[in-house]
Amino acid sequence: QKEVEQNSGPLSVPEGAIASLNCTYSDRGSQSFFWYRQYSGKSPELIMSIYSNGDKEDGRFTAQLNKASQYVSLLIRDSQPSDSATYLCAGRSNDYKLSFGAGTTVTVRA
Amino acid sequence: EAQVTQNPRYLITVTGKKLTVTCSQNMNHEYMSWYRQDPGLGLRQIYYSMNVEVTDKGDVPEGYKVSRKEKRNFPLILESPSPNQTSLYFCASRRQVDQPQHFGDGTRLSIL
Repeated sequence: QKEVEQNSGPLSVPEGAIASLNCTYSDRGSQSFFWYRQYSGKSPELIMSIYSNGDKEDGRFTAQLNKASQYVSLLIRDSQPSDSATYLCAGRSNDYKLSFGAGTTVTVRA
Repeated sequence: EAQVTQNPRYLITVTGKKLTVTCSQNMNHEYMSWYRQDPGLGLRQIYYSMNVEVTDKGDVPEGYKVSRKEKRNFPLILESPSPNQTSLYFCASRRQVDQPQHFGDGTRLSIL
């Protein structure tokens, strides 16, 4: 079983809508989680980090962590065409390793 | 400017010819990692290092070597490259174990 799994997508949303991305993890001891955005051919760039249960908001992005259910989610509000990218979920397990999900490709339709 | 620098950015080579991809960071980060990225498989960790002279295997270490003789450098060595190592490679670093990673721009390797 992969340590971090993402809903496979691809996900297509109209401009202005909410895009919802989900991620589950297998290591119950995982402590820190990150969402990265990756444009085609580019390196991943950090959007959000989250360490505690609950919601964390940064502009149009909201990350949610539920350690009891072992899932992390990312909401993108008021989606823009520039949000079209692949979104990677990552979790740090007890052995210091940072594992990534396979990514979810989001397309925002103008 | 804080950055992770990988070289080369692109390389086409042949099976069996040893190659090294260099990675250097100027942020005094403790942790460094190498990943490969293949379509549909996401980022898979090859090796990581927690400090100088301390390295450990990731998910796909076969066919690769690393070394961490200095804090800033973490080269990836392919002793005898094979076509299944054709991929996009990223080096990354982070200050502490729970800090976000900073990625280099990537190295696209093609092994014929």
